[in-house]
Amino acid sequence: NAGVMQNPRHLVRRRGQEARLRCSPMKGHSHVYWYRQLPEEGLKFMVYLQKENIIDESGMPKERFSAEFPKEGPSILRIQQVVRGDSAAYFCASSVLAGVNNEQFFGPGTRLTVL
Amino acid sequence: ILNVEQSPQSLHVQEGDSTNFTCSFPSSNFYALHWYRWETAKSPEALFVMTLNGDEKKKGRISATLNTKEGYSYLYIKGSQPEDSATYLCAFAAGTASKLTFGTGTRLQVTL
Repeated sequence: NAGVMQNPRHLVRRRGQEARLRCSPMKGHSHVYWYRQLPEEGLKFMVYLQKENIIDESGMPKERFSAEFPKEGPSILRIQQVVRGDSAAYFCASSVLAGVNNEQFFGPGTRLTVL
Repeated sequence: ILNVEQSPQSLHVQEGDSTNFTCSFPSSNFYALHWYRWETAKSPEALFVMTLNGDEKKKGRISATLNTKEGYSYLYIKGSQPEDSATYLCAFAAGTASKLTFGTGTRLQVTL
């Protein structure tokens, strides 16, 4: 039973380019959470999605960032027109049930570097 | 803004020592408290999810307690081993929030 998969593991982009980060949850999990870890900081919640729905995006920057979790395929975190401040590690987690009283399983993260 | 504090920031113990760390969180509107273990270059691994005041959970040599009225949780490691070296994170959820707020972690190093 594969764990949460994220790809790519490392992504380098130049300022102004787009970054697409993918997250495949564990089999049978329909809840996905995205977190960001900026250098020297802790994990910060970005967005919570269920299949085809955004449930809570209160941690997502208002501009340039978007997330989706389609009926088929992985969840995608998209960052348009990247800036140096977007350089961070982006983690996704999945859970089988709704609610933060349930265990979340984390992926290995995507490390984004913006040149 | 929710404040989740962990102490100490880092800890260095000898193999065989028992140790504990603290996670402090807002005592009002509690919903859940998670503990994670995060080894370098790996994914955070869930240790415990705690929801009730007075909860005590155990997994091998690691255990945790929860006091929601005063807003703290302790994580204990009995007889530390080098493989316990990792960063231990706690994460708090309030009310009906659908998100976790993480502390910055306690970095544990266990040496022979």
